[in-house]
Amino acid sequence: LAKTTQPISMDSYEGQEVNITCSHNNIATNDYITWYQQFPSQGPRFIIQGYKTKVTNEVASLFIPADRKSSTLSLPRVSLSDTAVYYCLVVKNRDDKIIFGKGTRLHILP
Amino acid sequence: SAVISQKPSRDICQRGTSLTIQCQVDSQVTMMFWYRQQPGQSLTLIATANQGSEATYESGFVIDKFPISRPNLTFSTLTVSNMSPEDSSIYLCSFEGQGSRNEQFFGPGTRLTVL
Repeated sequence: LAKTTQPISMDSYEGQEVNITCSHNNIATNDYITWYQQFPSQGPRFIIQGYKTKVTNEVASLFIPADRKSSTLSLPRVSLSDTAVYYCLVVKNRDDKIIFGKGTRLHILP
Repeated sequence: SAVISQKPSRDICQRGTSLTIQCQVDSQVTMMFWYRQQPGQSLTLIATANQGSEATYESGFVIDKFPISRPNLTFSTLTVSNMSPEDSSIYLCSFEGQGSRNEQFFGPGTRLTVL
């Protein structure tokens, strides 16, 4: 499983766009990039998954360059409730365990 | 999507005792997973549990310490045996969704404190 590296922590302000970058230099051809969000005292929650280029849903956008060695999770106009830990993972499509890295602790300030 | 619950939500236990954590999903799922999350840390996968077969344990985790049962497609248990204070942690179960992507759904966790 490809190892991921992301910042340990980030601070931002309400209303700002937040971009969290993750590197995964050893990503394999059939790996997908997935992001989870974890609020305090809750289990992680799936946010978004992509293979290449750009994926957008109601929560976030995921940008993946052509070499797929990194990815950027973009949270538009964050609010205090976006304060959480965000995990970048590289996963096979199905039927495989997922391994969590250290994650990025995002703190949104008023 | 399916709902996943865990019991107990928290417990305080004495050293040397065992605790069994239950995980219930409201629909049938093939693969279930057990994780441990120590305070302020990321999640560590303990084992993968498929119905009808022995659980597959990750490096550093053994069946004698963390026996797992998977009697049917909606239920699993994790027992933390002969507990020590180092076992104080949050234990989470999860399952893989039915869609094409590898998406896991997590329970709320069981917060265990060992005195």
